[in-house]
Amino acid sequence: EPEVTQTPSHQVTQMGQEVILRCVPISNHLYFYWYRQILGQKVEFLVSFYNNEISEKSEIFDDQFSVERPDGSNFTLKIRSTKLEDSAMYFCASSGSLKVPYEQYFGPGTRLTVT
Amino acid sequence: QKEVEQDPGPLSVPEGAIVSLNCTYSNSAFQYFMWYRQYSRKGPELLMYTYSSGNKEDGRFTAQVDKSSKYISLFIRDSQPSDSATYLCAMSDRNQGGKLIFGQGTELSVKP
Repeated sequence: EPEVTQTPSHQVTQMGQEVILRCVPISNHLYFYWYRQILGQKVEFLVSFYNNEISEKSEIFDDQFSVERPDGSNFTLKIRSTKLEDSAMYFCASSGSLKVPYEQYFGPGTRLTVT
Repeated sequence: QKEVEQDPGPLSVPEGAIVSLNCTYSNSAFQYFMWYRQYSRKGPELLMYTYSSGNKEDGRFTAQVDKSSKYISLFIRDSQPSDSATYLCAMSDRNQGGKLIFGQGTELSVKP
């Protein structure tokens, strides 16, 4: 069964450093998303991406964040200058057909620890 | 008022019990309703997807949406220890670029 994959599974970085989180969505999907989950809290939407541009972003997704689909398979989230409060699980998701665009499938997540 | 409210539990039931999980919401524009299961430190796994009101059944799982009451439910019949996880409701409206709003999640434990 197709699945969303994410790398790395765990990333430790120092405050102020740049990180890139990588995702490979399900191959025929058209819509891509990033969410985050701070330990013990709700899953929160960050950004959605369709047709090579951002469709929607939350107030969390400020100028420090960017997304890119550099090729036909990868989808990345970049945090330019990490803060302690960016420590969280980051989930990539994708959804497929235009008929059910919001049936989103999540990856296993990248645990980001900012020290 | 929070957009999506879900009792975090924990909820503990004996094996074989019928489990009822619920969420309420405030945004009447929501049209898409989903239930996810999440194991500790893993990604949410899509269980059920419902558009607008009504019921949907998949094996031991039944999802119900009552838009008039802004209330959604997930029923698990013949619960098993392997059902022990956190269950998240999520919802969206078609004008928000696929943005899902999640509930807090209900932690369920099914005891053998």
